[in-house]
Amino acid sequence: AQSVTQLDSHVSVSEGTPVLLRCNYSSSYSPSLFWYVQHPNKGLQLLLKYTSAATLVKGINGFEAEFKKSETSFHLTKPSAHMSDAAEYFCVVSDGGNTPLVFGKGTRLSVIA
Amino acid sequence: GAGVSQSPRYKVAKRGQDVALRCDPISGHVSLFWYQQALGQGPEFLTYFQNEAQLDKSGLPSDRFFAERPEGSVSTLKIQRTQQEDSAVYLCASSLAVGGRDYGYTFGSGTRLTVV
Repeated sequence: AQSVTQLDSHVSVSEGTPVLLRCNYSSSYSPSLFWYVQHPNKGLQLLLKYTSAATLVKGINGFEAEFKKSETSFHLTKPSAHMSDAAEYFCVVSDGGNTPLVFGKGTRLSVIA
Repeated sequence: GAGVSQSPRYKVAKRGQDVALRCDPISGHVSLFWYQQALGQGPEFLTYFQNEAQLDKSGLPSDRFFAERPEGSVSTLKIQRTQQEDSAVYLCASSLAVGGRDYGYTFGSGTRLTVV
């Protein structure tokens, strides 16, 4: 069965500094991996997805993630944080087919002015 | 419609009441999922429909939970005899493809259920 571990429950960065949100996954198959963002009282929004194409995936709002099979990691990065990036971020794995998405517990990103 | 619509947005139920939560997926989306998100947690899978067929209900926490999608479009999640532990945000998501692996999901804004 697949699972996801988000290594930090809370990350705090200063505006304009880099963001790193860490995620490790476990999967029996060649997984699909996603990052979703959830702003307060808003729905989940897809940031980016990896589905066995290029290992470096670019998403919306300047975010990107790199799939590293040897490390079973899919960390999310952004070169320069903006105040509007403050939100909850979820790393998600799927084994494909009809198997449901499995979410991590989330990482809350705070951006300090 | 343009997105996944859920109603009501908020629901307060007295313990023991039955509730029904509605999801209108994006038109033409084959797959529909229900998730439960407790406070401070990630969403957890409840059930999955492919068109009108409920292919996976392994995540439903008890037989008080029931979901249907009779015409392969709108779906309803029903909770009978609500308990306080049912308090959560219930999220609906739809996907164009089977399973959603390659396209990802589009989520609705959720229904926040509070059982008092």
